[in-house]
Amino acid sequence: EPEVTQTPSHQVTQMGQEVILRCVPISNHLYFYWYRQILGQKVEFLVSFYNNEISEKSEIFDDQFSVERPDGSNFTLKIRSTKLEDSAMYFCASHSYKAAPEAFFGQGTRLTVV
Amino acid sequence: AQTVTQSQPEMSVQEAETVTLSCTYDTSESDYYLFWYKQPPSRQMILVIRQEAYKQQNATENRFSVNFQKAAKSFSLKISDSQLGDAAMYFCAYRSAGTSGSRLTFGEGTQLTVNP
Repeated sequence: EPEVTQTPSHQVTQMGQEVILRCVPISNHLYFYWYRQILGQKVEFLVSFYNNEISEKSEIFDDQFSVERPDGSNFTLKIRSTKLEDSAMYFCASHSYKAAPEAFFGQGTRLTVV
Repeated sequence: AQTVTQSQPEMSVQEAETVTLSCTYDTSESDYYLFWYKQPPSRQMILVIRQEAYKQQNATENRFSVNFQKAAKSFSLKISDSQLGDAAMYFCAYRSAGTSGSRLTFGEGTQLTVNP
């Protein structure tokens, strides 16, 4: 069964460093998302991406964040200068067409900023 | 903006018994989807069940069923014959089916404990 793959599963970084979280969505999917879950809290939407551009973003997704699809398969989330409060689980999700009801989630990347 | 509320931070159930998790939501839209996701300790998000708002019939997936009350904006999850593997955090989520975007909006979650 096709799945969304995220790497790395766990990343530890120093405050102020840049990190790139990687996702490989399901191959025929067109809509991509990043969500964040701070430990013990609910899952929050960050950004959606379609046709090589951001289609929607939340207030969390400020100038420190960026997304791109550099090679037609990977979908990345970059945090330019990490803060302690960026420590969270980051989930990538995708679905095949806009009205497709179900989004498929990756297993998540646990980001720890020290 | 849509909101999703889960008023039960924690629930517990005896193995083989039935438990119901509550969820309410607020929206002005008429066409949308509702989901229950399970998050075990591994923290992966696993889809449990989905309900389309235009369908009057409640969704069922094996031991999992929902009670969808559109007018009341209520969407509860019933787990029958609870098993130890059902222990997890459960999130209710909403998604528009219209043009207002396709993001998921999650509730705060309910931590389910299954007692042997």
